[in-house]
Amino acid sequence: QSVLTQPPSVSAAPGQKVTISCSGSSSNIGNNYVSWYQQLPGTAPKLLIYDNNKRPSGIPDRFSGSKSGTSATLGITGLQTGDEADYYCGTWDSSLSAAVFGGGTQLTVL
Amino acid sequence: EVQLVESGGGLVQPGGSLRLSCAASGFTFSSYWMSWVRQAPGKGLEWVANIKQDGSEKYYVDSVKGRFTISRDNAKNSLYLQMNSLRAEDTAVYYCARGVSYFHYWGQGTLVTVSS
Repeated sequence: QSVLTQPPSVSAAPGQKVTISCSGSSSNIGNNYVSWYQQLPGTAPKLLIYDNNKRPSGIPDRFSGSKSGTSATLGITGLQTGDEADYYCGTWDSSLSAAVFGGGTQLTVL
Repeated sequence: EVQLVESGGGLVQPGGSLRLSCAASGFTFSSYWMSWVRQAPGKGLEWVANIKQDGSEKYYVDSVKGRFTISRDNAKNSLYLQMNSLRAEDTAVYYCARGVSYFHYWGQGTLVTVSS
């Protein structure tokens, strides 16, 4: 059971927009920054979003992040077949003194 | 270019030990927290441990406390994970990653299989 809760799967058509939610508590998302990762099949995770809504160099602005209270959301616009991957949210949990991840969301671009 | 290259994985029997290494290059290793993150086959990401720049602070996930030890050698730009009393549930790909609460760079991972 993951500390952060994500939907197991989401799907949308090419060109459309999708959002992935990540729910936590006051000890993690509520008081710490959230990050998001993309993991393509057979590869290492890749940082998409850090500090709730910042994109590392090279990440297109089709990817966006937001946070409100104890929940966070990853948005992807202009969906492409190459976006099919597993997406994970992460943050620090101050009560556990541990980094925590969501269980992951599999994105299917129909 | 930032590179993280893990090594040391393999097949080990339950109760055995293994030491993972991560060679870092392309950045000032001694300036960053470093972490180990693992992923069991077909499962999600699980953070394992992290270590401060000078090694003075270390944190572990509860399931490995007392069995795993994270360490670093800044002179050699290297991160380590000593794993003792290994269990079947420790079977996973182990990634070396730069960061403490978010992970900007990741290695390619090394597979640890605990089985008799």
